[in-house]
Amino acid sequence: GAVVSQHPSWVICKSGTSVKIECRSLDFQATTMFWYRQFPKQSLMLMATSNEGSKATYEQGVEKDKFLINHASLTLSTLTVTSAHPEDSSFYICSARGHGGQPQHFGDGTRLSIL
Amino acid sequence: DQQVKQNSPSLSVQEGRISILNCDYTNSMFDYFLWYKKYPAEGPTFLISISSIKDKNEDGRFTVFLNKSAKHLSLHIVPSQPGDSAVYFCAASEASGTYKYIFGTGTRLKVLA
Repeated sequence: GAVVSQHPSWVICKSGTSVKIECRSLDFQATTMFWYRQFPKQSLMLMATSNEGSKATYEQGVEKDKFLINHASLTLSTLTVTSAHPEDSSFYICSARGHGGQPQHFGDGTRLSIL
Repeated sequence: DQQVKQNSPSLSVQEGRISILNCDYTNSMFDYFLWYKKYPAEGPTFLISISSIKDKNEDGRFTVFLNKSAKHLSLHIVPSQPGDSAVYFCAASEASGTYKYIFGTGTRLKVLA
């Protein structure tokens, strides 16, 4: 089945640090990748949609200069949380979909803790 | 404004019985619906989907029912197994366009042995 790998799975860092999270589709070409954020006991909230080779489309209320997304290839997208602060602490999950009507396949998420 | 709602945060079912998880939506433009299962510290795993042209889709022990007039879908698991214990999310999408999903808040299912 389709496999999406997300790395790292857990990050703890100091306030002001920038953190990069990688999302890779291992056995299919991901034409579109999505980045979500989940707070405890809440739903997965879509942050942005990225298509390979083009700029990401951000959801309302998501700061594009804060959450930098790069989708340089059909198998890799990265999310960089710039100058992270404690309020950015959350669970970040990526997903990827290939061509046609395939459902999104998710990575295992990254738990980000900013001290 | 929560466009996709799962009003039951948790559900307990005896092993071998039927589990019924419910989901309601408000946006009449949604035409593709999915159920995902999530274990702690893992990403969601796709279970089953249904297009709005159907009212039922079955895959093994899992069946999804869609009632468009009521804007309601449900996931039936029969028979329930302890390994089914997880958080279940429903998601809705407009099949055309960006394919982005709107997720419900999840229902934690516990199947008791």
